[in-house]
Amino acid sequence: GAVVSQHPSWVICKSGTSVKIECRSLDFQATTMFWYRQFPKQSLMLMATSNEGSKATYEQGVEKDKFLINHASLTLSTLTVTSAHPEDSSFYICSAEFGANYGYTFGSGTRLTVV
Amino acid sequence: KNQVEQSPQSLIILEGKNCTLQCNYTVSPFSNLRWYKQDTGRGPVSLTIMTFSENTKSNGRYTATLDADTKQSSLHITASQLSDSASYICVVSVGNSGYALNFGKGTSLLVTP
Repeated sequence: GAVVSQHPSWVICKSGTSVKIECRSLDFQATTMFWYRQFPKQSLMLMATSNEGSKATYEQGVEKDKFLINHASLTLSTLTVTSAHPEDSSFYICSAEFGANYGYTFGSGTRLTVV
Repeated sequence: KNQVEQSPQSLIILEGKNCTLQCNYTVSPFSNLRWYKQDTGRGPVSLTIMTFSENTKSNGRYTATLDADTKQSSLHITASQLSDSASYICVVSVGNSGYALNFGKGTSLLVTP
């Protein structure tokens, strides 16, 4: 089946540093991937749509200069949280659609803690 | 406004019992409806996906139903197990906008011994 691998599963970083999160589609090509943010006991909130070979599309209110997205290949999208602050601490999840009948496959998520 | 409402917000049941989770939506035009299971600290895992013409779909002990006329869906869990403890999320796709997904806030299920 379709697998989306997300790495790292958790990361702790100091304020002001940058953190990169990787999202890979292991056995299929994903022209489009999606990045979500999830706060405790809340639903997933779409941050941006990552398009292979072109600029990402950001949702309203998401700072594109703070959350840098790169989708350089059909199997890899990265999210870089730049100059991280404690309020950026959250659970970040990526996803991709394997096919119309399979739904969206999600990565296992990355727990980011900024101290 | 496209919305997905889930109920109950949380539920506690005894191991071995059945339960039903509800999802009401106002998404239009409708494309498909998906149920996901999300364990704490993990990404969501797909349980079922249903299009407009499908009324029911099963995945092991999970059975989802869809009434496109009333815009309601349910997820029935049979003979619950401790490992069923998780958040169950209903996600509805908008028909003509490609990747637009509308997420419910989820139902938190706790199965106790």
